[in-house]
Amino acid sequence: ETGVTQSPTHLIKTRGQQVTLRCSSQSGHNTVSWYQQALGQGPQFIFQYYREEENGRGNFPPRFSGLQFPNYSSELNVNALELDDSALYLCASSPSLFSYNEQFFGPGTRLTVL
Amino acid sequence: DQQVKQNSPSLSVQEGRISILNCDYTNSMFDYFLWYKKYPAEGPTFLISISSIKDKNEDGRFTVFLNKSAKHLSLHIVPSQPGDSAVYFCAASLPYNNNDMRFGAGTRLTVKP
Repeated sequence: ETGVTQSPTHLIKTRGQQVTLRCSSQSGHNTVSWYQQALGQGPQFIFQYYREEENGRGNFPPRFSGLQFPNYSSELNVNALELDDSALYLCASSPSLFSYNEQFFGPGTRLTVL
Repeated sequence: DQQVKQNSPSLSVQEGRISILNCDYTNSMFDYFLWYKKYPAEGPTFLISISSIKDKNEDGRFTVFLNKSAKHLSLHIVPSQPGDSAVYFCAASLPYNNNDMRFGAGTRLTVKP
């Protein structure tokens, strides 16, 4: 068991709404990354947080934002939802920035935008 | 810009035989490659990795081969077992930013008893 949990499991929103997805990292992990996995595709890197600061961002607009808290939990916020935001959102935690083989993924939150 | 490609969406093999999953990449700056396995309703789990300074890494039944000149890597599973049935993703990372990984679209492996 990886120890990375995500909530909620499933979520349905309508276009234009805002959503907050939550991730609880494995104990002791100070790095969390968020990925978007559209149907039939591999995960795409959204951004990474290290010690509560954003430490890299993929090709996603500013309406995707995040927070990381001292207790290693984190949030992904998406404003002004669009239909194309429908996807599985994965968070992954690791004990440091350069821990190649120690990134553990949560089971994901399935977001549907209608 | 899909820098990592898995051109076979699915693969079916018989139990006990070899499974070969392939992955191609376009960015020569990638220096680390990983394979993940994903079961339904679970997040991807790390399987095996290889540094760009090597051409082979073996871990039990799993071996990853890297051909840098061809920008190609493959995962061999020998012998294949029904429990290996899952979606396999290859991923590549850039120097000093290993958590920003670029994933392929995945290959669904089915191992038939």
